[in-house]
Amino acid sequence: AQTVTQSQPEMSVQEAETVTLSCTYDTSESDYYLFWYKQPPSRQMILVIRQEAYKQQNATENRFSVNFQKAAKSFSLKISDSQLGDAAMYFCAYSSGGSNYKLTFGKGTLLTVNP
Amino acid sequence: ETGVTQTPRHLVMGMTNKKSLKCEQHLGHNAMYWYKQSAKKPLELMFVYSLEERVENNSVPSRFSPECPNSSHLFLHLHTLQPEDSALYLCASSQVNTRQGYTFGSGTRLTVV
Repeated sequence: AQTVTQSQPEMSVQEAETVTLSCTYDTSESDYYLFWYKQPPSRQMILVIRQEAYKQQNATENRFSVNFQKAAKSFSLKISDSQLGDAAMYFCAYSSGGSNYKLTFGKGTLLTVNP
Repeated sequence: ETGVTQTPRHLVMGMTNKKSLKCEQHLGHNAMYWYKQSAKKPLELMFVYSLEERVENNSVPSRFSPECPNSSHLFLHLHTLQPEDSALYLCASSQVNTRQGYTFGSGTRLTVV
C-alpha cells in the first residue's frame, strides 16, 4: 500500500519570504499523480498544485512550485512571496495512475505566516 | 450553486440519535467520496461511490451507512454513534480516470455527546 509522509507538523514563515514544505511517499508503481491541497480555517480543501509522475518538469502555479524527485520519492512544495492568506494546513496526496482513483493523504503541515 | 456543498455545517448528536449528512456536487463528476478527518491523523477514506455504485468500504463500522441515490448526491446516515466518532466529515467528488484530483466540500463538524 502507498504511504505519504509529511515530516513537519508545523512550519512558520515571515510574510514575503519563501518556505518549503516536505513530503515523501512510498510506492512500487511507476505511474501515479501527486497533489498538494490547502485547508484554511474555512475547512474546505483546495487543490494547490498537481504533478504527473511521468513528467520530469516540476509543476508551477503562480507562487507555488514543487520539487519532484522521483528517484528519491520526494515531492516538496515551495511557496514564494508568502502571504497572510497562505496560512493553512497543507496536505500532500498520492493517487495511483491505474484504475484506482483513491487519494492517500499525509498527516499535514500547519503553516503559519507571520506579518 | 457550484462546487461541492455539504450540510449541515455543524452537528451535535447524542449517542442514541439518528441523523444524516448530505453532500451535493454540481460539477458533473461521476465519483463521490466520504472522508473522516480527526485531529493528528491522516484523512481516512470511508466510502467511494463510482457511477452510483459503492466500490469501496474501508472497514467502516455499520453505524455509518452511505447512500448515493444519483451521481450528484451522497448521504451518510448515522446511528448509535460513539464519542470517538466526533470528527470533521468531508465529502469530495471527482471525474474518474482524469486524475485531476478531488473537489471537496467544507465538511460537517460532528460532535457526539
